[in-house]
Amino acid sequence: AQSVTQLDSQVPVFEEAPVELRCNYSSSVSVYLFWYVQYPNQGLQLLLKYLSGSTLVKGINGFEAEFNKSQTSFHLRKPSVHISDTAEYFCGRGFNKFYFGSGTKLNVKP
Amino acid sequence: GAVVSQHPSWVICKSGTSVKIECRSLDFQATTMFWYRQFPKQSLMLMATSNEGSKATYEQGVEKDKFLINHASLTLSTLTVTSAHPEDSSFYICSARDTGGKYNEQFFGPGTRLTVL
Repeated sequence: AQSVTQLDSQVPVFEEAPVELRCNYSSSVSVYLFWYVQYPNQGLQLLLKYLSGSTLVKGINGFEAEFNKSQTSFHLRKPSVHISDTAEYFCGRGFNKFYFGSGTKLNVKP
Repeated sequence: GAVVSQHPSWVICKSGTSVKIECRSLDFQATTMFWYRQFPKQSLMLMATSNEGSKATYEQGVEKDKFLINHASLTLSTLTVTSAHPEDSSFYICSARDTGGKYNEQFFGPGTRLTVL
């Protein structure tokens, strides 16, 4: 079965510090991975996605993720976070049907 | 990006009643829509795939007679929770996919909070 594991349910970080949100996936022949962000009372918004090509994927709002086949990981990173990045982040996989991880709440403190 | 709306944004109903939730793609035609359920502090779980003009495909463990899905037009899908019970209380989210247009990704609605008393 296709599965995605987000290792941290909550990540507290100070403003302007770097952050990494971890995501691992179960291996399969083809992999389509993505990260979505959910701000309070809003719908999910696509941050970035990986289907093929360069393993370093750049997304919106300064986020990037690296596809690592040997580690079966797709961790999300940002070199310097802002208060406005406080939200819940979902890693997921799938092309037609999407399967999400359990989410990571990023709490950026001043 | 494209916009997907849901109505209502929240609803409270008595046990045993039915509730209908609408999902609309506002600026594109969605041949496929998806319905998810999100429990508190948990992830989104795919419930069903809704294809315009055909029957919905339900994920394993989802009762199709309880969660009725209709996708009668290219911009509207509805989810009806029939004979709702407190355990059906949850956050329901839809997404729409424009497979034929310039967008080839899923766009999510803001969700509907259902509380069954």
